[in-house]
Amino acid sequence: GAGVSQSPSNKVTEKGKDVELRCDPISGHTALYWYRQSLGQGLEFLIYFQGNSAPDKSGLPSDRFSAERTGGSVSTLTIQRTQQEDSAVYLCASSPPLRLARQETQYFGPGTRLLVL
Amino acid sequence: DQQVKQNSPSLSVQEGRISILNCDYTNSMFDYFLWYKKYPAEGPTFLISISSIKDKNEDGRFTVFLNKSAKHLSLHIVPSQPGDSAVYFCAASARIYGQNFVFGPGTRLSVLP
Repeated sequence: GAGVSQSPSNKVTEKGKDVELRCDPISGHTALYWYRQSLGQGLEFLIYFQGNSAPDKSGLPSDRFSAERTGGSVSTLTIQRTQQEDSAVYLCASSPPLRLARQETQYFGPGTRLLVL
Repeated sequence: DQQVKQNSPSLSVQEGRISILNCDYTNSMFDYFLWYKKYPAEGPTFLISISSIKDKNEDGRFTVFLNKSAKHLSLHIVPSQPGDSAVYFCAASARIYGQNFVFGPGTRLSVLP
Protein backbone atom coordinates (compact mmCIF):
# COMPACT_ATOMS: atom_id res chain seq x y z
CA GLY A 1 0.00 0.00 0.00
CA ALA A 2 0.93 3.66 -0.26
CA GLY A 3 3.19 5.07 2.39
CA VAL A 4 3.25 8.53 3.91
CA SER A 5 3.57 11.18 1.23
CA GLN A 6 4.67 14.77 1.58
CA SER A 7 4.57 17.71 -0.76
CA PRO A 8 6.38 19.59 -2.02
CA SER A 9 9.58 17.60 -1.87
CA ASN A 10 11.59 20.80 -2.04
CA LYS A 11 10.63 24.39 -1.34
CA VAL A 12 12.72 27.52 -1.74
CA THR A 13 11.21 30.70 -0.39
CA GLU A 14 12.24 34.21 0.51
CA LYS A 15 12.53 35.38 4.08
CA GLY A 16 9.23 36.78 5.31
CA LYS A 17 7.02 34.68 3.06
CA ASP A 18 4.54 32.08 4.32
CA VAL A 19 4.84 28.41 3.36
CA GLU A 20 2.52 25.44 3.60
CA LEU A 21 3.77 21.89 3.79
CA ARG A 22 1.42 18.98 3.23
CA CYS A 23 1.37 15.47 4.65
CA ASP A 24 -0.81 12.57 3.53
CA PRO A 25 -0.61 9.84 6.17
CA ILE A 26 -1.19 6.16 5.61
CA SER A 27 -4.89 5.41 5.39
CA GLY A 28 -6.31 4.30 8.72
CA HIS A 29 -3.48 5.74 10.78
CA THR A 30 -4.85 7.80 13.63
CA ALA A 31 -1.66 9.45 14.85
CA LEU A 32 0.27 12.03 12.83
CA TYR A 33 3.51 13.73 13.76
CA TRP A 34 5.56 16.57 12.38
CA TYR A 35 9.31 16.76 12.97
CA ARG A 36 12.08 18.84 11.53
CA GLN A 37 15.71 18.04 11.04
CA SER A 38 18.10 20.93 10.73
CA LEU A 39 21.49 20.41 9.12
CA GLY A 40 23.61 18.17 11.31
CA GLN A 41 20.91 17.86 13.96
CA GLY A 42 18.58 15.11 15.08
CA LEU A 43 14.84 14.99 14.68
CA GLU A 44 13.06 17.77 16.54
CA PHE A 45 9.45 17.07 17.50
CA LEU A 46 7.02 19.79 16.43
CA ILE A 47 3.43 18.65 16.84
CA TYR A 48 1.40 15.48 17.28
CA PHE A 49 -2.22 14.71 16.35
CA GLN A 50 -4.06 11.69 17.75
CA GLY A 51 -7.57 11.06 16.45
CA ASN A 52 -9.99 13.73 17.54
CA SER A 53 -7.99 14.75 20.59
CA ALA A 54 -6.47 18.19 20.96
CA PRO A 55 -3.05 18.19 19.31
CA ASP A 56 0.15 18.25 21.32
CA LYS A 57 1.76 21.48 20.14
CA SER A 58 4.52 21.51 22.73
CA GLY A 59 7.29 21.26 20.14
CA LEU A 60 6.32 24.20 17.96
CA PRO A 61 9.25 26.65 18.18
CA SER A 62 7.23 29.84 17.83
CA ASP A 63 3.76 31.17 17.09
CA ARG A 64 4.77 31.48 13.45
CA PHE A 65 4.30 27.72 13.24
CA SER A 66 0.88 26.12 13.11
CA ALA A 67 -0.59 22.88 11.87
CA GLU A 68 -3.98 21.45 11.24
CA ARG A 69 -5.33 18.09 10.36
CA THR A 70 -8.54 18.03 8.39
CA GLY A 71 -10.94 15.12 8.61
CA GLY A 72 -8.46 13.14 10.64
CA SER A 73 -6.32 12.57 7.57
CA VAL A 74 -4.30 15.14 5.63
CA SER A 75 -2.24 17.60 7.63
CA THR A 76 -0.81 20.97 6.71
CA LEU A 77 2.10 22.61 8.52
CA THR A 78 2.16 26.37 8.00
CA ILE A 79 5.13 28.60 8.70
CA GLN A 80 4.37 32.30 8.60
CA ARG A 81 6.95 35.01 7.97
CA THR A 82 9.68 32.46 7.37
CA GLN A 83 13.15 33.07 8.74
CA GLN A 84 16.45 31.64 7.55
CA GLU A 85 16.69 29.48 10.67
CA ASP A 86 13.51 27.72 9.55
CA SER A 87 15.53 26.04 6.79
CA ALA A 88 15.39 22.31 7.49
CA VAL A 89 13.90 19.06 6.34
CA TYR A 90 10.34 18.78 7.63
CA LEU A 91 9.29 15.18 8.20
CA CYS A 92 5.83 13.83 8.73
CA ALA A 93 5.07 10.44 10.25
CA SER A 94 1.92 8.48 11.02
CA SER A 95 1.12 5.57 13.31
CA PRO A 96 -1.71 3.03 13.33
CA PRO A 97 -4.11 2.81 16.26
CA LEU A 98 -2.35 1.16 19.18
CA ARG A 99 -4.93 -1.61 19.32
CA LEU A 100 -3.95 -2.62 15.78
CA ALA A 101 -0.22 -2.21 16.09
CA ARG A 102 1.95 -4.92 17.53
CA GLN A 103 4.12 -2.14 18.73
CA GLU A 104 4.33 1.61 18.47
CA THR A 105 5.81 2.28 15.08
CA GLN A 106 6.00 5.49 13.13
CA TYR A 107 6.06 5.47 9.37
CA PHE A 108 7.86 8.46 7.95
CA GLY A 109 7.38 10.32 4.74
CA PRO A 110 10.34 11.39 2.59
CA GLY A 111 10.27 14.92 3.98
CA THR A 112 10.07 18.40 2.54
CA ARG A 113 13.38 20.21 2.23
CA LEU A 114 12.74 23.88 2.99
CA LEU A 115 15.29 26.55 2.16
CA VAL A 116 14.65 30.12 3.25
CA LEU A 117 16.82 32.64 1.45
CA ASP B 1 18.91 19.65 27.45
CA GLN B 2 18.93 16.47 25.39
CA GLN B 3 16.88 13.68 26.90
CA VAL B 4 18.17 11.16 24.36
CA LYS B 5 21.86 11.22 23.52
CA GLN B 6 23.92 9.49 20.90
CA ASN B 7 27.42 10.57 21.71
CA SER B 8 29.09 9.13 18.63
CA PRO B 9 28.20 11.21 15.58
CA SER B 10 29.83 8.64 13.31
CA LEU B 11 31.12 5.09 13.29
CA SER B 12 33.08 3.09 10.71
CA VAL B 13 33.10 -0.70 10.70
CA GLN B 14 34.54 -3.31 8.37
CA GLU B 15 32.07 -5.46 6.45
CA GLY B 16 31.33 -8.68 8.31
CA ARG B 17 32.23 -7.24 11.69
CA ILE B 18 29.87 -6.17 14.46
CA SER B 19 28.51 -2.62 14.58
CA ILE B 20 27.54 -1.30 18.01
CA LEU B 21 25.58 1.92 18.22
CA ASN B 22 24.97 3.43 21.61
CA CYS B 23 22.22 5.57 23.07
CA ASP B 24 21.80 7.10 26.52
CA TYR B 25 18.72 8.70 28.00
CA THR B 26 18.07 10.83 31.05
CA ASN B 27 14.32 10.53 31.65
CA SER B 28 13.57 7.52 33.83
CA MET B 29 9.92 7.66 32.72
CA PHE B 30 10.84 6.43 29.24
CA ASP B 31 9.51 2.90 28.84
CA TYR B 32 9.71 2.22 25.12
CA PHE B 33 12.68 2.59 22.82
CA LEU B 34 13.07 2.38 19.08
CA TRP B 35 15.82 2.48 16.50
CA TYR B 36 15.31 4.02 13.08
CA LYS B 37 17.55 3.93 10.05
CA LYS B 38 17.71 6.82 7.61
CA TYR B 39 19.19 6.91 4.12
CA PRO B 40 19.92 10.26 2.46
CA ALA B 41 16.86 11.97 0.97
CA GLU B 42 14.51 9.42 2.56
CA GLY B 43 12.45 9.43 5.73
CA PRO B 44 13.58 7.29 8.67
CA THR B 45 12.42 3.68 8.65
CA PHE B 46 11.65 1.67 11.74
CA LEU B 47 14.24 -0.97 12.56
CA ILE B 48 13.66 -2.51 15.95
CA SER B 49 12.16 -1.63 19.31
CA ILE B 50 12.29 -2.72 22.92
CA SER B 51 9.98 -2.30 25.86
CA SER B 52 11.35 -1.51 29.30
CA ILE B 53 10.11 -4.87 30.58
CA LYS B 54 12.76 -6.55 28.44
CA ASP B 55 16.51 -6.26 28.31
CA LYS B 56 17.03 -7.71 24.86
CA ASN B 57 15.17 -7.94 21.58
CA GLU B 58 16.50 -9.65 18.50
CA ASP B 59 15.42 -9.50 14.88
CA GLY B 60 17.72 -11.18 12.40
CA ARG B 61 21.05 -9.38 12.30
CA PHE B 62 19.77 -6.66 14.64
CA THR B 63 19.72 -6.90 18.42
CA VAL B 64 18.85 -4.14 20.86
CA PHE B 65 20.01 -4.30 24.46
CA LEU B 66 18.52 -2.22 27.24
CA ASN B 67 20.21 -1.48 30.57
CA LYS B 68 17.62 0.38 32.60
CA SER B 69 19.81 1.01 35.60
CA ALA B 70 22.38 2.71 33.39
CA LYS B 71 19.73 4.33 31.20
CA HIS B 72 21.58 2.96 28.22
CA LEU B 73 20.64 1.02 25.14
CA SER B 74 22.65 -0.27 22.26
CA LEU B 75 21.98 -1.60 18.79
CA HIS B 76 24.16 -4.46 17.56
CA ILE B 77 24.35 -5.30 13.88
CA VAL B 78 26.12 -8.52 13.03
CA PRO B 79 27.41 -9.19 10.50
CA SER B 80 27.54 -5.63 9.19
CA GLN B 81 26.86 -5.13 5.48
CA PRO B 82 27.60 -2.16 3.20
CA GLY B 83 23.84 -1.63 2.82
CA ASP B 84 23.67 -0.92 6.54
CA SER B 85 25.51 2.37 5.95
CA ALA B 86 23.02 5.00 7.07
CA VAL B 87 22.21 7.34 9.94
CA TYR B 88 20.73 5.53 12.93
CA PHE B 89 18.40 7.34 15.31
CA CYS B 90 17.52 6.19 18.78
CA ALA B 91 14.07 7.27 20.03
CA ALA B 92 12.29 6.99 23.36
CA SER B 93 8.76 7.40 24.57
CA ALA B 94 6.82 7.22 27.82
CA ARG B 95 3.26 5.96 28.01
CA ILE B 96 2.33 8.70 30.42
CA TYR B 97 3.32 11.27 27.81
CA GLY B 98 1.22 9.64 25.13
CA GLN B 99 2.73 8.70 21.81
CA ASN B 100 5.25 11.53 21.81
CA PHE B 101 8.72 10.34 20.81
CA VAL B 102 12.05 11.96 21.63
CA PHE B 103 14.80 11.33 19.12
CA GLY B 104 18.54 11.35 19.56
CA PRO B 105 20.79 13.28 17.16
CA GLY B 106 21.75 10.17 15.21
CA THR B 107 24.93 8.22 14.47
CA ARG B 108 26.21 7.87 10.92
CA LEU B 109 27.36 4.30 10.32
CA SER B 110 29.70 3.53 7.47
CA VAL B 111 30.30 -0.12 6.67
CA LEU B 112 33.46 -0.47 4.63
CA PRO B 113 33.72 -3.28 2.05
